[in-house]
Amino acid sequence: QVNLLQSGAALVKPGASVKLSCKASGYTFTDYYIHWVKQSHGKSLEWIGYINPNSGYTNYNEKFKSKATLTVDKSTNTAYMELSRLTSEDSATYYCTRVTIAAMRNWGQGTLVTVSS
Amino acid sequence: DIVMTQAPLSVSVTPGESASISCRSSKSLLHSNGITYVYWYLQKPGKSPQLLIYRMSNLASGVPDRFSGSGSETDFTLKISRVEAEDVGIYYCGQLLENPYTFGAGTKLELK
Repeated sequence: QVNLLQSGAALVKPGASVKLSCKASGYTFTDYYIHWVKQSHGKSLEWIGYINPNSGYTNYNEKFKSKATLTVDKSTNTAYMELSRLTSEDSATYYCTRVTIAAMRNWGQGTLVTVSS
Repeated sequence: DIVMTQAPLSVSVTPGESASISCRSSKSLLHSNGITYVYWYLQKPGKSPQLLIYRMSNLASGVPDRFSGSGSETDFTLKISRVEAEDVGIYYCGQLLENPYTFGAGTKLELK
C-alpha cells in the first residue's frame, strides 16, 4: 500500500535551515506529484508547493517561494523540502502528500519543526 | 487568492443524527472541463488529514457512504449521515483549481 514516511521532529535555531524528507513506497514514485502543506499549531492548512518527481519541475505558492526549496532523489524515492532563514513563524507541522487524479489522496505522518534558540 | 469560507466553525452532533458543513469559495471552482475542484478532508485528533470527497461529490476510496458532497460553482456542502464517534475531528474544504491552492479554516465536529 502507499506510504509516505516523513523524517522526525526537528528543533532548529532562528536563522538556520532545515531539510525535511518524505520517503515514498508502494507505488511508482515518478508517476505522481508530491505536494507539501504547512499546519501551524491549532491552525488550518497552507499549501507550500509541489514537485514533479519525474522532471523535477516545481510550482510554489508565492508566499513560500523564498522560504522553501523542493527537491527529489529518484534513486531513493524520497522528496525533500528545505526551509531557510527560519523564524518562529516557521514553527509548524509540515506534511507531504501524494496527488492522484487531482486530489491529495495520501499524506505523510507530518514533521514537527520547532524554531527556538 | 481564492478564499474558502466554512460554516459553522464548530458543530455538536448526537450520535446517529446527521450533520452538514458548508463551504463557500470567493471564485467559481468549476473548470471549463466540467470538473469542480473542491475537496473535503477530515483531520482526526493527532492525525494527518485524510481525503473524504474529491471533485465536489466523489467519495474517496475507503470512506463510508455516510459521507456525501454536493454543491454548485461556489457553494458546497459536506453531509454526514448517522454520525459516529469515529467522525470526530476537524473538517476542511479545499480547492485545487488554481495556485495558490487554499483551504478553509476548518469545522470542528464534536459529539453531544
